[in-house]
Amino acid sequence: EPEVTQTPSHQVTQMGQEVILRCVPISNHLYFYWYRQILGQKVEFLVSFYNNEISEKSEIFDDQFSVERPDGSNFTLKIRSTKLEDSAMYFCASSQGLAGVGYEQYFGPGTRLTVT
Amino acid sequence: GNSVTQMEGPVTLSEEAFLTINCTYTATGYPSLFWYVQYPGEGLQLLLKATKADDKGSNKGFEATYRKETTSFHLEKGSVQVSDSAVYFCALSTNSGGSNYKLTFGKGTLLTVNP
Repeated sequence: EPEVTQTPSHQVTQMGQEVILRCVPISNHLYFYWYRQILGQKVEFLVSFYNNEISEKSEIFDDQFSVERPDGSNFTLKIRSTKLEDSAMYFCASSQGLAGVGYEQYFGPGTRLTVT
Repeated sequence: GNSVTQMEGPVTLSEEAFLTINCTYTATGYPSLFWYVQYPGEGLQLLLKATKADDKGSNKGFEATYRKETTSFHLEKGSVQVSDSAVYFCALSTNSGGSNYKLTFGKGTLLTVNP
């Protein structure tokens, strides 16, 4: 069964450094997402991406964050200058259609980002 | 805005016990409702969903009914197994207010089933 993959599974970085989290969505999916979960808190939406542009973003997704689909298979999340509060589990997801009309989003296993 | 409230965990049950995890929501428009499950070391997987009032989603012995009048989507299973031990997330998405894309999640409920 097709699945969403993410690399690395765990990333440790120092405050102020740039990190890139990588995801390979399911190949025939059209919509791509990043979510994060700070330890002990809710899974929070960050951004959605469709047709090579951001379709929706949350207030968390400020200028420090960017997303890219560089080659038609990978989907990346870049944090330009990491802060301690960026430490979280980051989940990538993809879907064939819109969740608002009931389409399932398929999630990857997550990347645990630790900022020291 | 949209929000989901789940019962606080953790929940610990013996094998073959009855499970209920409560979920209530507030939403603009007409939401689709989901239960996702996360097994240890894995990503979130869709367990079941319902897209309109009175629909019942079901999968692997789990059920949840979309109750518009009580804005609820409680998860139930008649007889849990050790392999059901996981974190369960209630979530919603709406197609109004300019937001068609995102899932709004509850905090998750850790279920542990003992033999």
